[in-house]
Amino acid sequence: DTAVSQTPKYLVTQMGNDKSIKCEQNLGHDTMYWYKQDSKKFLKIMFSYNNKELIINETVPNRFSPKSPDKAHLNLHINSLELGDSAVYFCASNVRGRRQETQYFGPGTRLLVL
Amino acid sequence: DAKTTQPNSMESNEEEPVHLPCNHSTISGTDYIHWYRQLPSQGPEYVIHGLTSNVNNRMASLAIAEDRKSSTLILHRATLRDAAVYYCILRDNTGNQFYFGTGTSLTVIP
Repeated sequence: DTAVSQTPKYLVTQMGNDKSIKCEQNLGHDTMYWYKQDSKKFLKIMFSYNNKELIINETVPNRFSPKSPDKAHLNLHINSLELGDSAVYFCASNVRGRRQETQYFGPGTRLLVL
Repeated sequence: DAKTTQPNSMESNEEEPVHLPCNHSTISGTDYIHWYRQLPSQGPEYVIHGLTSNVNNRMASLAIAEDRKSSTLILHRATLRDAAVYYCILRDNTGNQFYFGTGTSLTVIP
């Protein structure tokens, strides 16, 4: 069974549209993350949620809004998509606050904004 | 914001050992050193981690310098399936953030 899953795997859309990416983990972890990997392959954290509560919010445009309906899900909604939003978005999870804990990543969602 | 520096790329012959270096001169006393790798078109996956002592697991070994300002990931026998980008990461003292660097792209030559 997949530990961290994301849907969709690919997303192609027009500028100005609103889209959502979903993430689910079945590991019983209480902390989930969204990362963005740009064309230069640099991986940067965007958000972190713990038990449905936002604990990290890096400098990300307000057009990006994470939503956590329960601790197993963390969805990412993006309004008014721009060309620069094209990237691979990874969801991840782990147990909170333990520096030795492994972080599990999803397979990624490849977003292309035209 | 990355706190680690790694060579952009390295090559290794198949079935030979590979030493992937990482510098983290600003590491704090409580930061753990983690290594992840990202195979093509996949999400990052855990390889190994350590604090002060050298560590071994079925995938690799981690050698940590005595001053902790650098570390080396050792793949004992590289296979074609080890071709990936290897990230050296520091875990901050809250445990909530991973600082990914640019990683080292490892090419394994048959």
